[in-house]
Amino acid sequence: TQLLEQSPQFLSIQEGENLTVYCNSSSVFSSLQWYRQEPGEGPVLLVTVVTGGEVKKLKRLTFQFGDARKDSSLHITAAQPGDTGLYLCAASGAGSYQLTFGKGTKLSVIP
Amino acid sequence: NAGVMQNPRHLVRRRGQEARLRCSPMKGHSHVYWYRQLPEEGLKFMVYLQKENIIDESGMPKERFSAEFPKEGPSILRIQQVVRGDSAAYFCASSPQVDGELFFGEGSRLTVL
Repeated sequence: TQLLEQSPQFLSIQEGENLTVYCNSSSVFSSLQWYRQEPGEGPVLLVTVVTGGEVKKLKRLTFQFGDARKDSSLHITAAQPGDTGLYLCAASGAGSYQLTFGKGTKLSVIP
Repeated sequence: NAGVMQNPRHLVRRRGQEARLRCSPMKGHSHVYWYRQLPEEGLKFMVYLQKENIIDESGMPKERFSAEFPKEGPSILRIQQVVRGDSAAYFCASSPQVDGELFFGEGSRLTVL
């Protein structure tokens, strides 16, 4: 079973601060996705990364896929209260449609 | 274009009863996936269906759980003789193709008393 470890599990920061959350595994993945889930709702896809070393930016969010395609990070610049939520990473192996999810990082941005 | 619709949003059942959860995929999507999210746990894959076919049910418990996606109508996840451990949020996702982006519904939260 492929496992995805996310850290930290909980993160509480002040508005305007920067933060980085991590997603690590001992397995190699063909692609990795980041989702954001708000309470009472389903996950919403933020980004998909497929190439080792790939960096993608989405406004204040920067996503990086590790060179070996085993890990990824999400960096948020100047966090805002609207960034509050559960950030999930998910990955699939080659030829697989099953997504393996991490347990998530619960982010709280305090105004 | 409406998103993935799940109902009911909340369902309360007593031990031994049956739970039926429904999922209408996005228009044009023929691939449906069910995931379960236990408290403080990540989402776990349960089953993948295409119209009228179960493609992969390797994540679904062998007993009491079944899923279908008929030619007409929504996909249904059925849990017979529910137990307290079945309490969870059940999410449906749909995709236009087998390796396409997944669009998740808002989930059905089952509570077993």
